Formats: sequence, C-alpha cells, structure tokens
Amino acid sequence: GIQVEQSPPDLILQEGANSTLRCNFSDSVNNLQWFHQNPWGQLINLFYIPSGTKQNGRLSATTVATERYSLLYISSSQTTDSGVYFCGLAGGTSYGKLTFGQGTILTVHP
Amino acid sequence: NAGVTQTPKFQVLKTGQSMTLQCAQDMNHNSMYWYRQDPGMGLRLIYYSASEGTTDKGEVPNGYNVSRLNKREFSLRLESAAPSQTSVYFCASSPGSGANVLTFGAGSRLTVL
Repeated sequence: GIQVEQSPPDLILQEGANSTLRCNFSDSVNNLQWFHQNPWGQLINLFYIPSGTKQNGRLSATTVATERYSLLYISSSQTTDSGVYFCGLAGGTSYGKLTFGQGTILTVHP
Repeated sequence: NAGVTQTPKFQVLKTGQSMTLQCAQDMNHNSMYWYRQDPGMGLRLIYYSASEGTTDKGEVPNGYNVSRLNKREFSLRLESAAPSQTSVYFCASSPGSGANVLTFGAGSRLTVL
C-alpha cells in the first residue's frame, strides 16, 4: 500500500512564529487531507487538497502531486494551534480509505 | 447538526468480554469508516463501508466485526476483547464521491484489562 511520512515529528514554537509541516507519499493520490487533532482528541479537517494550493486564514496548504509531497503552512502561530497534525491520503480505487502519517506534534508556547 | 456521534466515549473491559461501539451520522453520507489510533502509529483503518449494504476490511480487521445497520449507522463489535485492542477508536463518514472529505466523531477510548 501507499506509504506516508510526515516531518518533523515534533515542533516547538513561540507564539507568532511561522512553520512548515511536510507530508511525503510513495504513490499517486486522488485524495489528500490535512487534519488537526486538538488536545481533547478531536480530529478536524483543515484541507482537502489532492493537488494545488489552498488558503484558510493563517493556514495554507500546497500539494505537488507529481513530486509526491504536500506542505502545510502555519503563519503567526497561536497557542490554540497546538496539537497533532496528520495528513491522510488515498490513491487509485482506495479513494476514501485514507492512509495516515504518524503526525507532527506541534507545541506553541505563549 | 450533530455530525458524527460515537458511543460510548469511555469503556473498560476485561479480557474476553464483548462490546459494540456505535456510530451514527446525520450528514446523509454514503461512506463510513472505523479507525483506531495508537501512540506513535497514527490512525489505522479497521473496516469501512463504501455504501449502505456493503462492508470491507481495512488494514487491521482481525478481532473486529462491523454492521452497516442503515445509511446512518455503522457499528464496530469486539467479540472477545484482548489487551492489544486497548486504543482510541474513531468513526468517520464521507460523501463517497466528489471531494470525499472525512468527518470524524469525537472518539471512544477503550481499555481492555
């Protein structure tokens, strides 16, 4: 099956800093999503982005499908951005059956 | 709208006991999924249902059974719980076509002693 690798595994920031999270994958995809898991465990979809670039406030994401990676940018980080960020993706006929990376643990200090 | 609702939120079982995790969605989604989350291992797919009346195995199906009761409900059953099934379980649903975005429930924390 498709392999997913996220980096870095851990990231510690001061409030106001910017960060880039990366998701590498081993095969072509037709579904790629970024999720934030907050400290209470809830998983929230941030972006559906199998290709191209999207922005939502301080967050943006870019997927370069031909080079098999996706990036999540967080600008002017806030303490509420803390948590774990996952990319989940699928290809071929798997479509909705996402394979997840191991996540990036983000801690934002005030 | 409640989105995806899972019950129970917490459960402690003894080895060999059985239990069913319930999941319901009110978004008229076609597809539903059960994932488990273990420390350092991300989320792994247990079973999924592409549409009402169909179910299929995911990456880690051993020890589990599922039932797609109707379009809204998708339950996960542990027939004889084992300590290795201690985990946080997430139910999710998605439209099943187009931008197939997954919406997750709040999770169910299961401990097997």
